[in-house]
Amino acid sequence: GENVEQHPSTLSVQEGDSAVIKCTYSDSASNYFPWYKQELGKRPQLIIDIRSNVGEKKDQRIAVTLNKTAKHFSLHITETQPEDSAVYFCAAHPSNTGNQFYFGTGTSLTVIP
Amino acid sequence: NAGVTQTPKFQVLKTGQSMTLQCAQDMNHNSMYWYRQDPGMGLRLIYYSASEGTTDKGEVPNGYNVSRLNKREFSLRLESAAPSQTSVYFCASSGVNTGELFFGEGSRLTVL
Repeated sequence: GENVEQHPSTLSVQEGDSAVIKCTYSDSASNYFPWYKQELGKRPQLIIDIRSNVGEKKDQRIAVTLNKTAKHFSLHITETQPEDSAVYFCAAHPSNTGNQFYFGTGTSLTVIP
Repeated sequence: NAGVTQTPKFQVLKTGQSMTLQCAQDMNHNSMYWYRQDPGMGLRLIYYSASEGTTDKGEVPNGYNVSRLNKREFSLRLESAAPSQTSVYFCASSGVNTGELFFGEGSRLTVL
């Protein structure tokens, strides 16, 4: 089955700096890659996603890049703010597994004011 | 529009006891999921249901059973709870294949 690895597990940045979280996947059939943000004690919520026919997608301060050849995708947050502090999860969806999503182990991001 | 609602939010069980986690969604979604979240392990899929009347095993199904009661409701049952099942459980739903997952608020289960 699909295996998603996520790095780093923890990340601290100064407010205003950029943060980058990287994920790799193993199954070449994966074609959809969402990113979820989970604030402390809350439910995960989708912040951005990318499909395999696109190399990059941006939404204000958040961007995601995808390299299908290398099987890795990354989340980029620019001009970080304290409210960006949360756990971020990447996920991959193989097209041949029905509705299954495979998640990375999460990155705990702390933005220091 | 409540989204995905799961109950209970907290539960403490003794080893060997049974319980059922309830989940309901009001978004007319076809697919529903049960995940467990453990520190350092991310979200792991227990079972999912692609549509009413169907259920499939995920990555970690052992010790659990599920029922897709109707399109709205998807329950998770622990027949004989074990300390290894101490976790936070999330129910989720999605409307279309490769669509956004909408999560419930989570249920924190402790098995003593």
